[in-house]
Amino acid sequence: EPEVTQTPSHQVTQMGQEVILRCVPISNHLYFYWYRQILGQKVEFLVSFYNNEISEKSEIFDDQFSVERPDGSNFTLKIRSTKLEDSAMYFCASSEFGEQFFGPGTRLTVL
Amino acid sequence: AQSVTQPDIHITVSEGASLELRCNYSYGATPYLFWYVQSPGQGLQLLLKYFSGDTLVQGIKGFEAEFKRSQSSFNLRKPSVHWSDAAEYFCAVAPMEYGNKLVFGAGTILRVKS
Repeated sequence: EPEVTQTPSHQVTQMGQEVILRCVPISNHLYFYWYRQILGQKVEFLVSFYNNEISEKSEIFDDQFSVERPDGSNFTLKIRSTKLEDSAMYFCASSEFGEQFFGPGTRLTVL
Repeated sequence: AQSVTQPDIHITVSEGASLELRCNYSYGATPYLFWYVQSPGQGLQLLLKYFSGDTLVQGIKGFEAEFKRSQSSFNLRKPSVHWSDAAEYFCAVAPMEYGNKLVFGAGTILRVKS
């Protein structure tokens, strides 16, 4: 069964460093998303991406964040200068129609 | 703005007992409705979804949910809980269009006692 994959599973970084979180969505899906979940809190939407551009972004998704689909298979989330409060689990998701399929997540720890 | 309320933060049930997890949403029109389950340290697994049609939907692992438009609710049920059902459960909504974001509730942590 096709699935969304994410790498790495855990990333530790120093405050102020850039990180890139990688996702491989399901191959025939058209819509791509990033969500995050701070420990003990609910899952929050960051950004959606369709037809090679951002279709919607939340207020969390400020200028420090960017997304890219560099080739036909990968979908990346970049955080330019990480802050302590960026520590969270980041989930990638993809969809063809209404149902979103989630990856296993990347746990980002900012020290 | 869309919102999802899961009024129970924690629920504890005995193994073999029935379960109902509550979910209410606030949205201008009937949205797509979902229940996801998350085991500790794991990703989100879709249990079931409602798009249209029969308001009682069946999902995986013996779960079902009933959409009640008049109450703006989408409660999750299971007739007999197993110890392996212990996890966190999230209700989510999205507008009835493709490509729209999911709005999640705060989650309900289910504990199962033997």
